[in-house]
Amino acid sequence: AQSVTQPDIHITVSEGASLELRCNYSYGATPYLFWYVQSPGQGLQLLLKYFSGDTLVQGIKGFEAEFKRSQSSFNLRKPSVHWSDAAEYFCAVGGYNNDMRFGAGTRLTVKP
Amino acid sequence: GAGVSQTPSNKVTEKGKYVELRCDPISGHTALYWYRQSLGQGPEFLIYFQGTGAADDSGLPNDRFFAVRPEGSVSTLKIQRTERGDSAVYLCASSVGSSPPDTQYFGPGTRLTVL
Repeated sequence: AQSVTQPDIHITVSEGASLELRCNYSYGATPYLFWYVQSPGQGLQLLLKYFSGDTLVQGIKGFEAEFKRSQSSFNLRKPSVHWSDAAEYFCAVGGYNNDMRFGAGTRLTVKP
Repeated sequence: GAGVSQTPSNKVTEKGKYVELRCDPISGHTALYWYRQSLGQGPEFLIYFQGTGAADDSGLPNDRFFAVRPEGSVSTLKIQRTERGDSAVYLCASSVGSSPPDTQYFGPGTRLTVL
């Protein structure tokens, strides 16, 4: 069965600084990988997904992620963080039924 | 168009009671998923429907949990003899189909509190 590890429970960055959130997955076949964001009181929103092709994936809100098969990683990046990016971020790996397994999440705090 | 809706938004019940949580998927979406999110955790897969049938219920924690989708649209998650450990946010998601990586659209969730 597939699984995801997000090593960082909580990250704090200053507004305008760059961001990288780590995600490591375990899956026997070609993985389908996702990043979701959850703001307080809001539902989960898809930022981006990877299923094949170019290993650098562009998403909404200026986010991107890079799939590295050799490292079993799918890290999320943003060059310049905005205060509105403060939220909980979840990495997920999808199985053959599109059922997803989520990591425990990384909470992002943005300092002014 | 309307997104995924879930009712009620909050449910408080007593230990041992029966509860039903409802999910209305996006119209035309054939696949429907239930997840449970405990405090400080990521969503945990419970069950997946393709049409009316439960294609994968491997995530249901025990036989107190059951879900139906009789007409291939609305789904109800049913929990019998609730326990305090069932307290969580129950999320529903739907997608056009079940072929990865179809995007799953999530509802706002139902917060269940078992006293």
